Amino acid sequence: AQSVTQLDSQVPVFEEAPVELRCNYSSSVSVYLFWYVQYPNQGLQLLLKYLSGSTLVESINGFEAEFNKSQTSFHLRKPSVHISDTAEYFCAVSAAGSNYKLTFGKGTLLTVNP
Amino acid sequence: EADIYQTPRYLVIGTGKKITLECSQTMGHDKMYWYQQDPGMELHLIHYSYGVNSTEKGDLSSESTVSRIRTEHFPLTLESARPSHTSQYLCASSFIAPRDETQYFGPGTRLLVL
Repeated sequence: AQSVTQLDSQVPVFEEAPVELRCNYSSSVSVYLFWYVQYPNQGLQLLLKYLSGSTLVESINGFEAEFNKSQTSFHLRKPSVHISDTAEYFCAVSAAGSNYKLTFGKGTLLTVNP
Repeated sequence: EADIYQTPRYLVIGTGKKITLECSQTMGHDKMYWYQQDPGMELHLIHYSYGVNSTEKGDLSSESTVSRIRTEHFPLTLESARPSHTSQYLCASSFIAPRDETQYFGPGTRLLVL
């Protein structure tokens, strides 16, 4: 069975500062990895995903994540955050052989302050 | 980006009432899912379906039931609502392998049972 650990439940930062949201997973087989974002009172939106190929993946709004197999991590980064990035961020893993079931972390609340 | 719709967005209802949460998608996705999310917590899969006339229980036990009579429609029903059913319910859909099985989510239904 796979599992996901998001190490920080809350991350407060100032606007234009860099941010890293940490995600570690455990799985004995190959995985697909996802970051979803949830704005207040909304559903989840796909931010970015790693399926195969380049281990560095990017979103259209400046976030990036790097798949590190040796460290079983998929940390999310942004070099300069905006107030509008304030949201809950969920890391999720889908493992081969799990019938592509998604397992979610508990989420990290990113709060960007002016 | 997938188009997936949920109604109602918010529902306040008394104990013992029967409720149906609607979910529809227009992307031609085969697989559909229902997740339950309590405030500040991760998502838990409660039901999923591979296609018409297919329904399976997820990881989290739920008193709700689902049906899949049409590919695009996956309603969730609670025969007798209780305060313990108060939560947010998120619907999602995806293709089935070998196509990309990335899950796309609806906006959610927030249910409050008094």
